Amino acid sequence: KAGVTQTPRYLIKTRGQQVTLSCSPISGHRSVSWYQQTPGQGLQFLFEYFSETQRNKGNFPGRFSGRQFSNSRSEMNVSTLELGDSALYLCASSSAEYGYTFGSGTRLTVV
Amino acid sequence: GENVEQHPSTLSVQEGDSAVIKCTYSDSASNYFPWYKQELGKGPQLIIDIRSNVGEKKDQRIAVTLNKTAKHFSLHITETQPEDSAVYFCAAERGSQGNLIFGKGTKLSVKP
Repeated sequence: KAGVTQTPRYLIKTRGQQVTLSCSPISGHRSVSWYQQTPGQGLQFLFEYFSETQRNKGNFPGRFSGRQFSNSRSEMNVSTLELGDSALYLCASSSAEYGYTFGSGTRLTVV
Repeated sequence: GENVEQHPSTLSVQEGDSAVIKCTYSDSASNYFPWYKQELGKGPQLIIDIRSNVGEKKDQRIAVTLNKTAKHFSLHITETQPEDSAVYFCAAERGSQGNLIFGKGTKLSVKP
């Protein structure tokens, strides 16, 4: 069974730019959630989608947004990048039976 | 808001010893508690989880205990090996809202 696939693995962007990250969940999983991981703040919840609807959102500014497509694939977008947005962005797909499975993440560096 | 506290932040043990990591949570509605192992450059990997209808679960050298009354849960690793060295995170599912609240992590070092 294929795991959670995140692309790209690494990104370098300039302040003020925007970025889109992609996540393909495990086949059959309809829930996809996104987390930001930094050394200072640890793992923080961004948002969660289920069947194309955002069910939950964490405490992040509106520059962070996401969406989910009919095939359960999800994207997150960060606009007007700031240096503090540099982080590992993790996607997790979940099911009631198997819990939350994380991808390898996208390492975003803002310069 | 809801939070999860994890202790210790670093733990160093000799190969073959046991390691214990403890977490407390605040959300009374939490019913699902997973533990993750994260190695350098990788995403968190689920190693064991427990639901609130059981008090203990074991998988080979790894066990988790849950005290729902006290809102405590712990990870126990026996007969540690150098490949157990990694950062371990505990988490609690926020009610039934489809997201996890994580502890700050424990860096475990197993010395040969």
